[in-house]
Amino acid sequence: SAVISQKPSRDICQRGTSLTIQCQVDSQVTMMFWYRQQPGQSLTLIATANQGSEATYESGFVIDKFPISRPNLTFSTLTVSNMSPEDSSIYLCSVRQGLAYEQYFGPGTRLTVT
Amino acid sequence: GESVGLHLPTLSVQEGDNSIINCAYSNSASDYFIWYKQESGKGPQFIIDIRSNMDKRQGQRVTVLLNKTVKHLSLQIAATQPGDSAVYFCAEGTSGSRLTFGEGTQLTVNP
Repeated sequence: SAVISQKPSRDICQRGTSLTIQCQVDSQVTMMFWYRQQPGQSLTLIATANQGSEATYESGFVIDKFPISRPNLTFSTLTVSNMSPEDSSIYLCSVRQGLAYEQYFGPGTRLTVT
Repeated sequence: GESVGLHLPTLSVQEGDNSIINCAYSNSASDYFIWYKQESGKGPQFIIDIRSNMDKRQGQRVTVLLNKTVKHLSLQIAATQPGDSAVYFCAEGTSGSRLTFGEGTQLTVNP
């Protein structure tokens, strides 16, 4: 399986500011995803990061709030913009390779907004 | 829309016992299912998957059973160990599409 790293691992931010989370994979992957996991809850897909084009967002998530970049097949960023305490969550990067069904996750970024 | 849910939000077992974690799904078009283990402070870890053309798959100490008739999935852990304590999620998907996750079951293994 691919080795996935995320930076930062955690952060405490003030409301109204923005944070960019980086996801780096040790091999080229076809699909990259960003998930949110609120405390004690399951995972919710924010968007699929598309290489060379705009991300595909799920219902309830918009590009202005969660801009995503994917400049190549091993790297992606998620920005959480104009943060509020409701954005306090774990943000997870996930990857899938080619036609494989298996999907793997990074360690997550724990964000606290005060 | 489709949904994936779990019957038991918490499960407590004695070390050495077998554990069974259940999951119900509603999308009959789902053609694969994955079980993940998430330890505190970590990302979900892939445990085992199963395709819809199978009804059973075994891994190391784990077995996944799929009953498409009643849209039910289970994860069996043999000889449960303290290191198995975690939250377990089932997820379902169709070919090339996103995964949908269940609510999670907290497994606690008592020594």
